[in-house]
Amino acid sequence: ETGVTQSPTHLIKTRGQQVTLRCSSQSGHNTVSWYQQALGQGPQFIFQYYREEENGRGNFPPRFSGLQFPNYSSELNVNALELDDSALYLCASSLGGSTNEKLFFGSGTQLSVL
Amino acid sequence: AQSVTQLDSQVPVFEEAPVELRCNYSSSVSVYLFWYVQYPNQGLQLLLKYLSGSTLVKGINGFEAEFNKSQTSFHLRKPSVHISDTAEYFCAVSDPGGGNKLTFGTGTQLKVEL
Repeated sequence: ETGVTQSPTHLIKTRGQQVTLRCSSQSGHNTVSWYQQALGQGPQFIFQYYREEENGRGNFPPRFSGLQFPNYSSELNVNALELDDSALYLCASSLGGSTNEKLFFGSGTQLSVL
Repeated sequence: AQSVTQLDSQVPVFEEAPVELRCNYSSSVSVYLFWYVQYPNQGLQLLLKYLSGSTLVKGINGFEAEFNKSQTSFHLRKPSVHISDTAEYFCAVSDPGGGNKLTFGTGTQLKVEL
């Protein structure tokens, strides 16, 4: 079975720009979660998508938005980038959103905002 | 609201020595508890989890953790570490009613030395 893949692996943007990060779920998984991991910190939950609908959101402003497609791949969009948005963005897929469902993480996209 | 405290940011240990990585949590409700490992340039991998039942949980790679409700702790242990265990370790909690949306600690860097 294929794992969770994220693209691009690295990205450099300037303040005020917009960025789109992409995630392909593990085969058969219908739920995708996005996390932000700032340097020296643990991952923070951004939001989760289940069957193309948002299924929970963390404490992030509306300029962080997402999509999930019929094939269950997902995008994270961030508008009006700020310096503090520099972080590793992790995508995780699971077979459903219940607590018993194991999360499978991708290797992340390292975003640098200058 | 839930929170996780990992008291040690770095833990150096010699190969074949035992190790304990500490984790304390705070929550107004019952919780599920997890330990994840992150190797350099990789995503997070689940080591073990506590949902209910026996308070001693065994995971992959010889790790185990013990849930202590009175001390609100979930410390990770390994009786004999290997160089390959060098990585960042994250403790996480979730609300049983909140699905698999995790709140992570800030991580402990385990460095195994010869």
